[in-house]
Amino acid sequence: DAGITQSPRHKVTETGTPVTLRCHQTENHRYMYWYRQDPGHGLRLIHYSYGVKDTDKGEVSDGYSVSRSKTEDFLLTLESATSSQTSVYFCAISEAGGNQPQHFGDGTRLSIL
Amino acid sequence: GENVEQHPSTLSVQEGDSAVIKCTYSDSASNYFPWYKQELGKGPQLIIDIRSNVGEKKDQRIAVTLNKTAKHFSLHITETQPEDSAVYFCAASLSDGNKLVFGAGTILRVKS
Repeated sequence: DAGITQSPRHKVTETGTPVTLRCHQTENHRYMYWYRQDPGHGLRLIHYSYGVKDTDKGEVSDGYSVSRSKTEDFLLTLESATSSQTSVYFCAISEAGGNQPQHFGDGTRLSIL
Repeated sequence: GENVEQHPSTLSVQEGDSAVIKCTYSDSASNYFPWYKQELGKGPQLIIDIRSNVGEKKDQRIAVTLNKTAKHFSLHITETQPEDSAVYFCAASLSDGNKLVFGAGTILRVKS
């Protein structure tokens, strides 16, 4: 299995609080992705990174920010969490972008009350 | 925007039967099509993929076919087993070469 660790695995927090999710990889892959998974919607891309300090938006980026200061770490931040951001969040990595396999972590279940 | 439609949303088959899941894509520049299997509480796991210069690919009981003209691709699972029960996702690469777009998923139940 690809060396991808997501933390925390579960989190419950209140509306309006900031939340940061972490993805750590040991594969030295260039690309890292954050997705959210909701019933009926599959996996939707939030943000992705194509290198250290290089990031871009996905289809559902509103309310989220990301940072990548090291190859191995990709952080997802909800500046002020809302109930609509309750979801399961997955990190994925890829050697060379969308034309190569992506490998996923086991997810973070986030509940915002 | 670009999208991938996946059908059916749920599929129940008897153990030993075949299962087929179909996806259509909209971006004619898509050239990479992976399939993922997701078990409960886990992340999606790549099970097979196909590129646009190939029409079919097999790996034991799993096969994928691609029709570029019609812009659709399918996953075929033969001799299904209870452990094949999971959610399956198709995906297609986008023309920028950086991203995938995923279908909404198919819940496959194999009844023993």
